[in-house]
Parts: sequence; C-alpha cells; structure tokens
Amino acid sequence: NAGVTQTPKFRVLKTGQSMTLLCAQDMNHEYMYWYRQDPGMGLRLIHYSVGEGTTAKGEVPDGYNVSRLKKQNFLLGLESAAPSQTSVYFCASSYSVTSGGGNEQFFGPGTRLTVL
Amino acid sequence: GQQVMQIPQYQHVQEGEDFTTYCNSSTTLSNIQWYKQRPGGHPVFLIQLVKSGEVKKQKRLTFQFGEAKKNSSLHITATQTTDVGTYFCAGLSLNDYKLSFGAGTTVTVRA
Repeated sequence: NAGVTQTPKFRVLKTGQSMTLLCAQDMNHEYMYWYRQDPGMGLRLIHYSVGEGTTAKGEVPDGYNVSRLKKQNFLLGLESAAPSQTSVYFCASSYSVTSGGGNEQFFGPGTRLTVL
Repeated sequence: GQQVMQIPQYQHVQEGEDFTTYCNSSTTLSNIQWYKQRPGGHPVFLIQLVKSGEVKKQKRLTFQFGEAKKNSSLHITATQTTDVGTYFCAGLSLNDYKLSFGAGTTVTVRA
C-alpha cells in the first residue's frame, strides 16, 4: 500500500497563477484533509471532506477550493496564487473522526509551494 | 474556537538528558494525539490518549493526559539523536471532532 501520496512535491508559481495539488489515498478512508504548515504555526486546516462528494471549510479556507469527486482523491486548488500562500501543504486521511480507534491521521509527504 | 498551545517551541537537549513538552487546550478534549515530524518529513502518528489521567509509554517516551482532559505532556528520557524532530500534540474537539494542532516543539540533540 502506498498510503497517502501527493503531487507535485515542489512547485514555484508567479503571483496570480493557478494550480491544483493532488492527493490520493489507498486505505479506503472516508475522511480527508488539507493542511498548510508555516514556521512556528503548526498545522492549520484549510478544508476537509467527510466523504465522497462532500467538502467543508477549515480554519484557513480563503483563497483555496477543494473537490472530492472520488473517495480516494482530494484536490486542492489555488485560483490566483499570492505570496502569502507560500507554504508546505500536507494532505491527510483518517478512517473515522470519533474518539474511538481509527481516528489517527495519515499524512502524505507534502508539497512545497513557493509563490513569487 | 478551540486552541491548543504547546511549549516550549524549541528544546535543545544534551544526548542522554530528559525533557518534557507540554500541551494545553482552551477547552475540554475528546482525546489527544501526538505526532512526530522528522526534519524534511511529514507528521507521523505516535499515540492517542482518551481517558482522563491516562498514561502510556512507548519505550523512552511517556505520554500523559490530564485529569480535566485539557492538557497533556510528552516526556522523553535519555534523549538520543534519533529523537530529533518536531513533536506535535493535536486535540480532538468534543463538539465537531476536528483535530487542532499545537505549534509543535522542535527538538535538537547535542551529541
């Protein structure tokens, strides 16, 4: 099993350009998440999905859109990139979200995005 | 909204010494999880604590959940170079089951 994979690994954009980050998981998880990681700020939730066809806003959703057309894929889009979106983006998935077992999150390797 | 604070932000440790990182939530948590991120890597799940006052050990790592389920700690004994990385706590909210991550404690080890 590959677990959670992300493409691309690195990307440099100019201000105003658009791009889509791809996330795929082969664990049949219902829940998927997009985070951004900035120095000293931990992981901040951008958007998440509780199942195929559903998406919801997280803590820092502005400037991003997402889609979950297939259960195994979760796409993060930047329509008009800004320098403030320079960050490391992590996708994660989990089997459940309740307090019992299965709610640990599995992370992908990350995408390092620089916006000039 | 729920906030999870983690201290210290940086911990410089002599090899063989012990250290502790602390995590505090503004609200009561359903559970708390700990993750480790090696330099250049991605967060990896270490453990989950669910019960009030729970203590769990993984070799040299001891994790504790407070009685009020609002704080947690990670204690590492006899630090080794393999312990280098950033340790995150993440609190699971009672209301909406979202994980809120602390800012992390970045650990460096002097040989």
